[in-house]
Amino acid sequence: LAKTTQPISMDSYEGQEVNITCSHNNIATNDYITWYQQFPSQGPRFIIQGYKTKVTNEVASLFIPADRKSSTLSLPRVSLSDTAVYYCLVGGDGGATNKLIFGTGTLLAVQP
Amino acid sequence: GAGVSQSPSNKVTEKGKDVELRCDPISGHTALYWYRQSLGQGLEFLIYFQGNSAPDKSGLPSDRFSAERTGGSVSTLTIQRTQQEDSAVYLCASSLVGGSGQPQHFGDGTRLSIL
Repeated sequence: LAKTTQPISMDSYEGQEVNITCSHNNIATNDYITWYQQFPSQGPRFIIQGYKTKVTNEVASLFIPADRKSSTLSLPRVSLSDTAVYYCLVGGDGGATNKLIFGTGTLLAVQP
Repeated sequence: GAGVSQSPSNKVTEKGKDVELRCDPISGHTALYWYRQSLGQGLEFLIYFQGNSAPDKSGLPSDRFSAERTGGSVSTLTIQRTQQEDSAVYLCASSLVGGSGQPQHFGDGTRLSIL
């Protein structure tokens, strides 16, 4: 299982772009990189997933360098409602189960 | 709605009682997962279903925990003789199929409190 390391917390202000970087030095060839967002009293919500280079959807972008040993989640122009815990996950368990191994995540606090 | 639905949203029960937690996955999703999140902790995998079969039960903490899935859809997680350490949020997730690269979609969980 590829271990991930991400900051415990980050602070930002409304309207700013936020970049959260995750390190995963032991990523395997067939591992995907997936980010989830979790608000209090809710289940994690899938944000974005990528394998290499850059992926963009309506809420975020995911940048993955060529060596895939890290990834950066970019949230454009955050608002107060983006305050949440963001989890970076790599691959699954390497087998057919794909059970997710969540770390402690990054608590993003957006202030006015 | 079209998302994963869990019931009840909250459950309070006395130590020693049995509880059943229900999960309705997204229609058409063949893979279903149960996780547990304790206060201030990360998510802990419990069990994985592919269709009605559970090829991976490795996360179930004891034989008091069991789960089943019927019709390739609804799943029930049962905890017998509940203990206080079972207090947690129990989350269900589904994906189109199992395997890496398949995003999992979570319900909002059942908050279980054992008195």
